[in-house]
Amino acid sequence: QVRLVESGGGVVQSGRSLRLSCVASGFMFGSYGMHWVRQAPGKGLEWVALISYDGNQYYSESVKGRFAISRDVPKKMLYLQMNSLKDDDTAVYYCAKDRNTVVRGIISDWGQGTLVTASS
Amino acid sequence: SYVLTQPPSVSVAPGQTARITCGGDNIGGKIVQWYQQKPGQAPVLVVYDDSDRPSGIPERFSGSKSGNTATLTISRVDAGDEADYYCQVWDNSTDILYVFGTGTKVTVL
Repeated sequence: QVRLVESGGGVVQSGRSLRLSCVASGFMFGSYGMHWVRQAPGKGLEWVALISYDGNQYYSESVKGRFAISRDVPKKMLYLQMNSLKDDDTAVYYCAKDRNTVVRGIISDWGQGTLVTASS
Repeated sequence: SYVLTQPPSVSVAPGQTARITCGGDNIGGKIVQWYQQKPGQAPVLVVYDDSDRPSGIPERFSGSKSGNTATLTISRVDAGDEADYYCQVWDNSTDILYVFGTGTKVTVL
């Protein structure tokens, strides 16, 4: 079955950088779009970024220009490079998988999340 | 930017039916998903493509859409359904591709 395991979270000073990782198993990693979705403490879900099955990258306005999503298909790894972190970036970051090979807007599987705390 | 509005909370007695609404401009022209999130856990997809259920999701969960409102209906509610529920659409007309609703806390009385 699909398994997604995030790592790399922690406490970081605002303005600094952090890279999150997600190892995937149980499906053909390179054939599906992969996401990062975050949830600030006590708040709702916020989509952050998508890398499509063919490598195109999409970002929310709140992180565009600061965050970069990437992947290593042979290693089945998804990454999120977060630069110029702000206090508002504090959240649990989830790695998630699209349901279909062609993007249709459906997130079918989620990891357990990794907590990022950005503090000035 | 596209906004999806949900009621902050819904309360329901065990065995009764809970209905959670999700309002958005022209939501009728978009595909709607619903996710369940229990405290301390990752979200789980419970309805996709407006009204389809992933394998393993009970038939008690159903989705529908009418006009500018999508609805998640949970029949014969039990204590295990107490959770936050989020609607979500895919909006490829803007840079923000995936939009989540504001979330609804379902409390089983």
